Amino acid sequence: ETGVTQSPTHLIKTRGQQVTLRCSSQSGHNTVSWYQQALGQGPQFIFQYYREEENGRGNFPPRFSGLQFPNYSSELNVNALELDDSALYLCASSLALAGNTGELFFGEGSRLTVL
Amino acid sequence: RKEVEQDPGPFNVPEGATVAFNCTYSNSASQSFFWYRQDCRKEPKLLMSVYSSGNEDGRFTAQLNRASQYISLLIRDSKLSDSATYLCVVMNTGRRALTFGSGTRLQVQP
Repeated sequence: ETGVTQSPTHLIKTRGQQVTLRCSSQSGHNTVSWYQQALGQGPQFIFQYYREEENGRGNFPPRFSGLQFPNYSSELNVNALELDDSALYLCASSLALAGNTGELFFGEGSRLTVL
Repeated sequence: RKEVEQDPGPFNVPEGATVAFNCTYSNSASQSFFWYRQDCRKEPKLLMSVYSSGNEDGRFTAQLNRASQYISLLIRDSKLSDSATYLCVVMNTGRRALTFGSGTRLQVQP
């Protein structure tokens, strides 16, 4: 196991609602990244947090927002949900910025279905 | 055009076969390269890094051709447990993220 835990594992929402996904990073890791993985696609980078500050963002609209807490755990918030937001949301932790070794430790993900 | 392109497969091969996956990337500024493995309904995990000189880890060999912007993964003596999706991944220095391809699905059959 990677030591990265995410909750909830599955959830169903309707269009227009808001959702909060949570992630506890591996012990000692200070960087958390969030990825969206649609069915049949590779993970797409949403954003990264380092020491409680957003440290990089992918091509996602502002309704995707996040937080990192002093214990390095993190939240992903999505407002005004759209059908296309249905996906697996993966949290990954690493020690260095962007994981200089390229090794990210992923949680098992939160599977979001938007109806 | 996607930044990282892979043949989606599936590749159906018998146990013991040798199989090769290819990947191309479009950003010449890409600095680091990796293969990740993702089992069905599980999270991606790092399989190996890819170096210009080529590198091997047991039955797995990875190659990088920077001039052609091409990455490969060779799996020898395939096992049933190798069945998974293999994700080609690049990282650009200065960016804060990994860029994943869509993955190539491998099914090893008895």
